[in-house]
Amino acid sequence: EPEVTQTPSHQVTQMGQEVILRCVPISNHLYFYWYRQILGQKVEFLVSFYNNEISEKSEIFDDQFSVERPDGSNFTLKIRSTKLEDSAMYFCARQGTAGDETQYFGPGTRLLVL
Amino acid sequence: GNSVTQMEGPVTLSEEAFLTINCTYTATGYPSLFWYVQYPGEGLQLLLKATKADDKGSNKGFEATYRKETTSFHLEKGSVQVSDSAVYFCALDSNDYKLSFGAGTTVTVRA
Repeated sequence: EPEVTQTPSHQVTQMGQEVILRCVPISNHLYFYWYRQILGQKVEFLVSFYNNEISEKSEIFDDQFSVERPDGSNFTLKIRSTKLEDSAMYFCARQGTAGDETQYFGPGTRLLVL
Repeated sequence: GNSVTQMEGPVTLSEEAFLTINCTYTATGYPSLFWYVQYPGEGLQLLLKATKADDKGSNKGFEATYRKETTSFHLEKGSVQVSDSAVYFCALDSNDYKLSFGAGTTVTVRA
């Protein structure tokens, strides 16, 4: 059973379009993360989100990206104007419970920008 | 900054062979170390972890020991199965709440 669920599992979009990727934790947690994996490359940190605020972001996470937790449950990653190089697998992760810093990943969303 | 270096793949083995995947790291402080596995078409799953020097993580017959003196966290399994075919990622968390991953090692086990 995944620690978090992600929707959609696959998305195809046109360059310049906005996409929203969703992450739903199985139980209530405060710390969330987004990572991406471009095909054939290593997994890269994008952003961490704690208590409804961005905690840290990488240099990849520029102004076209945003994260929020609009309803206190779903955790979303929005890409405002997609580029070809945004094609990747996007993983959501949540931190373990108190005292467990392990990150548990969702199954990922495969994004293809045409 | 933090970095993880894994042995390059792909690695192809026969069933029941011994598997080693080397992983070394560079980090400030005392990081926690992890191995994640990605089976074909699936997401990242935690395989094992170690949070301090000399700790040994183990799961599903895999083991890795946190060696501070050599800054290593090599993954080993004594007898692999076809079902172990996957991509294996070494990762560290330097207590800054973000994981740094190695490039991944693709392992294929043939019957």
